Amino acid sequence: DGGITQSPKYLFRKEGQNVTLSCEQNLNHDAMYWYRQDPGQGLRLIYYSQIVNDFQKGDIAEGYSVSREKKESFPLTVTSAQKNPTAFYLCASRETARETQYFGPGTRLLVL
Amino acid sequence: EDQVTQSPEALRLQEGESSSLNCSYTVSGLRGLFWYRQDPGKGPEFLFTLYSAGEEKEKERLKATLTKKESFLHITAPKPEDSATYLCAVPANAGGTSYGKLTFGQGTILTVHP
Repeated sequence: DGGITQSPKYLFRKEGQNVTLSCEQNLNHDAMYWYRQDPGQGLRLIYYSQIVNDFQKGDIAEGYSVSREKKESFPLTVTSAQKNPTAFYLCASRETARETQYFGPGTRLLVL
Repeated sequence: EDQVTQSPEALRLQEGESSSLNCSYTVSGLRGLFWYRQDPGKGPEFLFTLYSAGEEKEKERLKATLTKKESFLHITAPKPEDSATYLCAVPANAGGTSYGKLTFGQGTILTVHP
């Protein structure tokens, strides 16, 4: 089945620690996105990548980093500089010729 | 700046009680409006894309419509399994190129009681 997978489902971060969230897709989509979702707020864009080895900051990139070494993978690192990391993180992908984005199941990040 | 506003924030219906959710948008050069369904603790599930005013799309008990300023998601004879948060979104417009960024509304939490 084609789709987007995210792991882990739950992730716990200790203060000062960097953690990495995984996102993999087998839809052969060129573009991939990371969003953050907080209660009572809409989804906010963290980073996006339109093609391998290229990515751009979204609206709330501070404290986060990404890489895009393979078309299928777009991992997100939440660094110790992100002071309020507790949120639900969603990865999405899109065909270049279409606007519709498809989402993964999400990772919930909690701070210990 | 692109804006998407959804109303109401929450809607409680009895099973079989039809209603509508609203999504108002302000964007120059609309390149589509998307509806998603999100269950608690899960990622948004794509429902519909609408591209032009007057367009309608249906899926089971859901029908989405689009005007030049807003979109409606009509729910006919809802069932408890329709309970979810419904999100609408539009592609952002940045100098004619969106790079696929979506601007989301806050969502409407729908609860359907048996």
